[in-house]
Amino acid sequence: GESVGLHLPTLSVQEGDNSIINCAYSNSASDYFIWYKQESGKGPQFIIDIRSNMDKRQGQRVTVLLNKTVKHLSLQIAATQPGDSAVYFCAENMRGTSYGKLTFGQGTILTVHP
Amino acid sequence: GAVVSQHPSWVICKSGTSVKIECRSLDFQATTMFWYRQFPKQSLMLMATSNEGSKATYEQGVEKDKFLINHASLTLSTLTVTSAHPEDSSFYICSAPITGSARNQPQHFGDGTRLSIL
Repeated sequence: GESVGLHLPTLSVQEGDNSIINCAYSNSASDYFIWYKQESGKGPQFIIDIRSNMDKRQGQRVTVLLNKTVKHLSLQIAATQPGDSAVYFCAENMRGTSYGKLTFGQGTILTVHP
Repeated sequence: GAVVSQHPSWVICKSGTSVKIECRSLDFQATTMFWYRQFPKQSLMLMATSNEGSKATYEQGVEKDKFLINHASLTLSTLTVTSAHPEDSSFYICSAPITGSARNQPQHFGDGTRLSIL
């Protein structure tokens, strides 16, 4: 049945500001991490990924930072735009498990004000 | 454009009805697909791994007789919610890796199916 869920954390920013979304992952055996963006009524959309042998990876307007010591992942969005408003999820894949088997984090609601 | 397609996008039906949801990979073959469930304002929870030509692997707590999965071809997996009840109302999402069988490749997700049981 439906599980009792927590309210998703929220982040509100002004257009043009930089956004930082944080995620604490659960398993030290995870070796692959992905950030997804989910708009209302749609499936998750891939943003950027990072493997555990890296600390940082940059994409277009986005940067992912990985701190394995404290099991923390962050997504930085530069010059945030109203179209970036969505729910953002981190996901982890644990070494030794079926490929593509992902455990999703709680999610963060990002609202960008024009 | 979409690489994983789900159908239907929204279905409303009466309690006790069985509902079939399709997940198709477009322009690529997927030997494995994944089915997730998402309740409102919550995260995605993996339900099962769909394997082409063999039985699906279900996550702990997911009833395999309730959620029937068939992966009869390299481009299609179906999830059938049998004898659905209101508590099965949720957003069901499938995913598939787009590149071969290598580990650590991004999953591409369908746009989900909103299931509402009255």
